[in-house]
Amino acid sequence: SQTIHQWPATLVQPVGSPLSLECTVEGTSNPNLYWYRQAAGRGLQLLFYSVGIGQISSEVPQNLSASRPQDRQFILSSKKLLLSDSGFYLCAWTGQRTDTQYFGPGTRLTVL
Amino acid sequence: GNSVTQMEGPVTLSEEAFLTINCTYTATGYPSLFWYVQYPGEGLQLLLKATKADDKGSNKGFEATYRKETTSFHLEKGSVQVSDSAVYFCARGDNTNAGKSTFGDGTTLTVKP
Repeated sequence: SQTIHQWPATLVQPVGSPLSLECTVEGTSNPNLYWYRQAAGRGLQLLFYSVGIGQISSEVPQNLSASRPQDRQFILSSKKLLLSDSGFYLCAWTGQRTDTQYFGPGTRLTVL
Repeated sequence: GNSVTQMEGPVTLSEEAFLTINCTYTATGYPSLFWYVQYPGEGLQLLLKATKADDKGSNKGFEATYRKETTSFHLEKGSVQVSDSAVYFCARGDNTNAGKSTFGDGTTLTVKP
């Protein structure tokens, strides 16, 4: 069966510090991968998606970047965090012929 | 443009009450429609889906029917439980090779004993 992992689960970082969040998927090949942000009490904002290794599409211009160095690994990064980067970050995947999304457990980021 | 609009929350019900959360969408063609549920502190998980007009998705006592004529996919449950307290998201597949979906803003449901 397929599983999706995210780490860390929680993170508290000072403004201006770098960020690296990791997402990995097991049990499937060539998934589509997504990063979402969910602000407190709000809906989902799609940040990035990837249909293959090294292929990244950005949905919203911002302080973040994404990379996909391996087929089942998706990384969200920032060189300098802003207060507004605080939120709950969710990684998700879909298969190549389906649009059902499978979400990871999320990372709660607090920028102080 | 393409969008998903769902009933604003929060919704508060007593245990065993009937639940309806409205969802309407705009789209061309026949996209897949979904309801996802998010329990506190967790990621979203698929609750149910429907892939064509008049399909009924169902799971854990929840149901939603794909209504092409009204472009709706309302979520219903006949008797809610305290454990159903969560945020519910309606979503529409974007019919792209990238498997993207458009999500509603979520509706928070609280069920009181």
